[in-house]
Amino acid sequence: GENVEQHPSTLSVQEGDSAVIKCTYSDSASNYFPWYKQELGKGPQLIIDIRSNVGEKKDQRIAVTLNKTAKHFSLHITETQPEDSAVYFCAAPRDDKIIFGKGTRLHILP
Amino acid sequence: EPEVTQTPSHQVTQMGQEVILRCVPISNHLYFYWYRQILGQKVEFLVSFYNNEISEKSEIFDDQFSVERPDGSNFTLKIRSTKLEDSAMYFCASSERESTRITWETQYFGPGTRLLVL
Repeated sequence: GENVEQHPSTLSVQEGDSAVIKCTYSDSASNYFPWYKQELGKGPQLIIDIRSNVGEKKDQRIAVTLNKTAKHFSLHITETQPEDSAVYFCAAPRDDKIIFGKGTRLHILP
Repeated sequence: EPEVTQTPSHQVTQMGQEVILRCVPISNHLYFYWYRQILGQKVEFLVSFYNNEISEKSEIFDDQFSVERPDGSNFTLKIRSTKLEDSAMYFCASSERESTRITWETQYFGPGTRLLVL
């Protein structure tokens, strides 16, 4: 079955700098990789996703890259802002459920 | 924008009591899910539900748990006899269509119910 590993568990960056969160997965048949953002007291919210037929996808300050050969994918946030502070989860599907990584707590420092 | 809603936002109960967590999925969605998140840990799948029956469940989802779609809008998770280790955040999610290996359908999550078992 699918296993998703996520690093780092905590990340602190200066406001305006970039943040990168990395994940690896185990099931080579996986073909969809969403990223969720969870703010305090709220449920996970989808912020970006990528399918295995592309290597990179961008949405304004957020981008995700996928390396299917190495079975890893990464979230890149540029020009970080205070509102980017949250817990970020990578995920991969297994059957009709989502397997989440353990999460990265991102702190944006003023 | 349509969203998944959940009630209550917080629930405190005594060990051994029954609790029912309620969810209203997005209206045109057909697939429903419950996940839970123990404090500080990752989100874990509990159960998926389609066409009035469970389609998949995890090993966490034992006989103490049940799900139901009592009417056209609500989706509930019942824990029959709560244990201390059931304390967690419970998230409901829904998707419009079934996910397959070819086409994955985005699951939209509700804000969660924080359950505390004393």
